[in-house]
Order: sequence, then C-alpha cells, then structure tokens
Amino acid sequence: KQEVTQIPAALSVPEGENLVLNCSFTDSAIYNLQWFRQDPGKGLTSLLLIQSSQREQTSGRLNASLDKSSGRSTLYIAASQPGDSATYLCAVRHDSNYQLIWGAGTKLIIKP
Amino acid sequence: DAGITQSPRHKVTETGTPVTLRCHQTENHRYMYWYRQDPGHGLRLIHYSYGVKDTDKGEVSDGYSVSRSKTEDFLLTLESATSSQTSVYFCATLQNTEAFFGQGTRLTVV
Repeated sequence: KQEVTQIPAALSVPEGENLVLNCSFTDSAIYNLQWFRQDPGKGLTSLLLIQSSQREQTSGRLNASLDKSSGRSTLYIAASQPGDSATYLCAVRHDSNYQLIWGAGTKLIIKP
Repeated sequence: DAGITQSPRHKVTETGTPVTLRCHQTENHRYMYWYRQDPGHGLRLIHYSYGVKDTDKGEVSDGYSVSRSKTEDFLLTLESATSSQTSVYFCATLQNTEAFFGQGTRLTVV
C-alpha cells in the first residue's frame, strides 16, 4: 500500500530565505506526483506536476524534483515571501488507477 | 482552474437529516472525486466517478452515496447525517494527468 509522508509538518522561516519541502513515498511505481498549495479556508491550487519520466519541473520561484528510485520529491522555494505562507501538499498517482494518495502537508509560515 | 463550483459553500444541518452537496464542472473532465479533509487525517477519498453513471468507493465511503447523471455534475449525499461527518468536503476533477479542486464545502452536523 502506497504511503506518502511530508516532513516537516510545519516550518517557519524569515522572509527571503530559500527553503525545501520534502515528500516521500513508499512505492516507486507512480504515474506522476503533484504539488498543491492550500490557503486557510480555501481549496487546493495545483503548483507543479511531475510525470514519472521527468526529473524536475519549474514555475517561477518554485522548482520540484522527483527521484522515483529513492521515493522522494522536493519542492524548492526561492527567495521566500510572506505570501508564500500556506500549507503545501503532495500527492502521487499510481500507474494502475486514477486515485491520488496524499501526504498530510507542510504548514509553511514566512515571517516578514 | 477547471471551472469547478461547489454548492453550498457552507451548511449547518441536524443529525439524522439527509444532505446533498453538489459539484459542477465546466471543462468536460471525465474523472471526478469527492474528498473530505479533517485535522490530523489530511485528504481522504470518499467516492469517485470515471464517467456518467460510473462510480466507485474510496477509503471512507460508509454513510455516503454519489450520483453522476451528467458529465458536469457529481452529487454527494449523506443519507442520514452524523456528527462524525462534520468536515470540509472537496470536489476534484482529473484531466489528462492533472487534478483540479473546488473551493470546498464546510459542513457542520449538530
């Protein structure tokens, strides 16, 4: 059974720092991995989608990497801003079905 | 944004009453999902649909039913609401390989 873990559960850093959020999964037979952002009381916004054949994806200050063999993905945020404060979730989709398996999220606080 | 609208956005209901939540999408996505999100549990799949009239159970389907009579609408029904079903409910769609989410429905069962 696939399990997805996100560490740390919470992270607080000063504005301007570069930071890395981690997502690990137990079964490497994934179809893709997706990173989402959730603001308090809001829905989930897709940030980056990495297919199993890809190593990384970039969007603006965000870079997500994928290492299937080690069961890890990282989300790198450059030059963090207070507006980046949110909960970040990763989800993996398996080859065999259309369900997503979710991590519990990392709550990120960027201090001005 | 996949044009996903959930209604209602907030609802308070009494224990034992039936409740229906609606998810409407405008992008003709084939796959639709209902999740609940609770502190300490993250997102858990209730039911999903892979086409009109084609649905299947997720990991927490007890007490819930769904229907999909049209591509654009996916309904979640709580047949007899219980306090344990107080939660935030999210609808999602899947197109190609990417998932999109609605804004959520906060349901309180008193």
